[in-house]
Amino acid sequence: GDSVTQMEGPVTLSEEAFLTINCTYTATGYPSLFWYVQYPGEGLQLLLKATKADDKGSNKGFEATYRKETTSFHLEKGSVQVSDSAVYFCALILSGGYNKLIFGAGTRLAVHP
Amino acid sequence: GAGVSQSPSNKVTEKGKDVELRCDPISGHTALYWYRQSLGQGLEFLIYFQGNSAPDKSGLPSDRFSAERTGGSVSTLTIQRTQQEDSAVYLCASSQGRELSYEQYFGPGTRLTVT
Repeated sequence: GDSVTQMEGPVTLSEEAFLTINCTYTATGYPSLFWYVQYPGEGLQLLLKATKADDKGSNKGFEATYRKETTSFHLEKGSVQVSDSAVYFCALILSGGYNKLIFGAGTRLAVHP
Repeated sequence: GAGVSQSPSNKVTEKGKDVELRCDPISGHTALYWYRQSLGQGLEFLIYFQGNSAPDKSGLPSDRFSAERTGGSVSTLTIQRTQQEDSAVYLCASSQGRELSYEQYFGPGTRLTVT
């Protein structure tokens, strides 16, 4: 079935380190891909998205490129900050569907000063 | 403007009791979604409403779960005869429509604990 797999956490980094959170998907057709973030005590927020192959989504210094050949959408940031500490969810929406999000399990990121 | 609101924020109930969870979407948003976030299952889709169309109920885990949306606005998720495995955070989201260009905005969730 359609699914999203992302690397298990927690990921612990020092401030200004490089971040990669891996995400791969299995889906019929051509899904749209998303990264959502959940900061402590807050609701889920859309971080970035890409709707077709080779698209790059970017926001707040985070980037992810839709790679159809490897069915991946890895999240990267060149220099993390303590304020980036949160849980990150990779997700997809199937083409032609009702826009229901299919989420990965989430990856907790902890950034230390 | 106001975001998606949910009530109550926390609900503790005894096994076997019925509960109702409420979602107020962003004004003017025609699409409304319910998701569940639990330790064992992660974040999973429950049900989707779009305007006056028949809802997509494909994610509801059992017939103890039902939802309605009155007047195309407020939605209520009802869980009958609650079980301990229903303990989770129930999230509501809304968007302007079903097109992918419309972002889903999430509410803060209702944390349900079944004792």
